[in-house]
Amino acid sequence: EVQLVQSGAEVKKPGESLKISCKGSGYSFTIYWIAWVRQMPGKGLEWMGIIYPGGSDTRYSPSFQGQVTISADRSINTAYLQWSSLKASDTAMYYCARRVYYDSNSYGLDVWGQGTTVTVSS
Amino acid sequence: SYELTQPPSVSVSPGQTASIACSGDKLGDRYACWYQQKPGQSPVLVIYQDSKRPSGIPERFSGSNSGNTATLTISGTQAMDEADYYCQAWDSSTSVVFGGGTKLTVL
Repeated sequence: EVQLVQSGAEVKKPGESLKISCKGSGYSFTIYWIAWVRQMPGKGLEWMGIIYPGGSDTRYSPSFQGQVTISADRSINTAYLQWSSLKASDTAMYYCARRVYYDSNSYGLDVWGQGTTVTVSS
Repeated sequence: SYELTQPPSVSVSPGQTASIACSGDKLGDRYACWYQQKPGQSPVLVIYQDSKRPSGIPERFSGSNSGNTATLTISGTQAMDEADYYCQAWDSSTSVVFGGGTKLTVL
């Protein structure tokens, strides 16, 4: 079964650092891009960025560039999203998702992780 | 930056057809996807490449995309279809734009 399993919920204080993970299984992890998507409480989906685990090529949404770091360790089929200094406004659900290529410049996010809740509060 | 606009809410009676629109500049020149998200769950891809259904998605889900509007259509809507629906387009091969989401109510 193809799946992405994310790390558990986190409760942090402002200014703390955090790294959450997304482990792929059931498929060749290195040949599919992994995306990160934010969903703030009661709000919609926001694109954060994407990484190619096979070569670590990474792209960020302008809204998140410099705010987070996306990385991957292909030896353990895991992608990461990290913050160096959390803010209360980072409180949200974070999803990883696999990008699949269909054809003719057609892509989709076909497998999603279960989400990681991050709460930042003093 | 590219933007996609969806109505905040759509209501439909059980058994009827629900249509959710997603508008963007020349959206028809791009491929659109649609995702379903039920409360407390992760999004699920229900339409890709404008009109194709992934394996396991019921035939009552269909999509189209032309001009400035992509449309998700649910025929014979069931109570289990009540959810938030998000359209999505690719700004490039590695950059995504989501619509704001539409809450579908089946009443």
